[in-house]
Amino acid sequence: EAGVAQSPRYKIIEKRQSVAFWCNPISGHATLYWYQQILGQGPKLLIQFQNNGVVDDSQLPKDRFSAERLKGVDSTLKIQPAKLEDSAVYLCASSFKLGQGRGDTQYFGPGTRLTVL
Amino acid sequence: AQTVTQSQPEMSVQEAETVTLSCTYDTSESDYYLFWYKQPPSRQMILVIRQEAYKQQNATENRFSVNFQKAAKSFSLKISDSQLGDAAMYFCAYRRGIYNQGGKLIFGQGTELSVKP
Repeated sequence: EAGVAQSPRYKIIEKRQSVAFWCNPISGHATLYWYQQILGQGPKLLIQFQNNGVVDDSQLPKDRFSAERLKGVDSTLKIQPAKLEDSAVYLCASSFKLGQGRGDTQYFGPGTRLTVL
Repeated sequence: AQTVTQSQPEMSVQEAETVTLSCTYDTSESDYYLFWYKQPPSRQMILVIRQEAYKQQNATENRFSVNFQKAAKSFSLKISDSQLGDAAMYFCAYRRGIYNQGGKLIFGQGTELSVKP
């Protein structure tokens, strides 16, 4: 079974530029999460989707970050414009169902390391 | 709000020895799950072990076991017969239960484990 796929693996941009990250969850997983991991810290949830609907985006900086999950499968996370403090690893995770016993184990992708200069 | 604290930024263990990583959490909820994730330099977050709060029995997975002290809100990870491949950043994480619309993981700051040959 293929795992969670993310691209690109690395991205370097200048501040005020735009960037987009892509995530393909494990086949059949209804729930998709985007986490931001700043160097030296644990990941922090940015947004959570259940199918193509948003469950939790309370910590998403909506003035510059946006995310979508069209058709309830792939998802993209966009930053526009980027700031220096957005330098981080962006992790995508998926789970089969929301809060359904062992089926809710979250599986993570390899992440995208973003550097904003 | 729920919080997770890992008070050991770094730990070191000799190969084949046993090491214990500490984690404490704060919550007023009774239905929740606790996890230990491993993050090697490749950045892929890998689930090590999970514990349901309603279970009194401590979870075990091969060389990995936990000491879950619900009243003390403590959740430590014991790694027995440490191997070089165990070297990584370890994160403790909390997730609300299904009856509390569980979803996002709340992570601690991480503990960097090094294994000496």
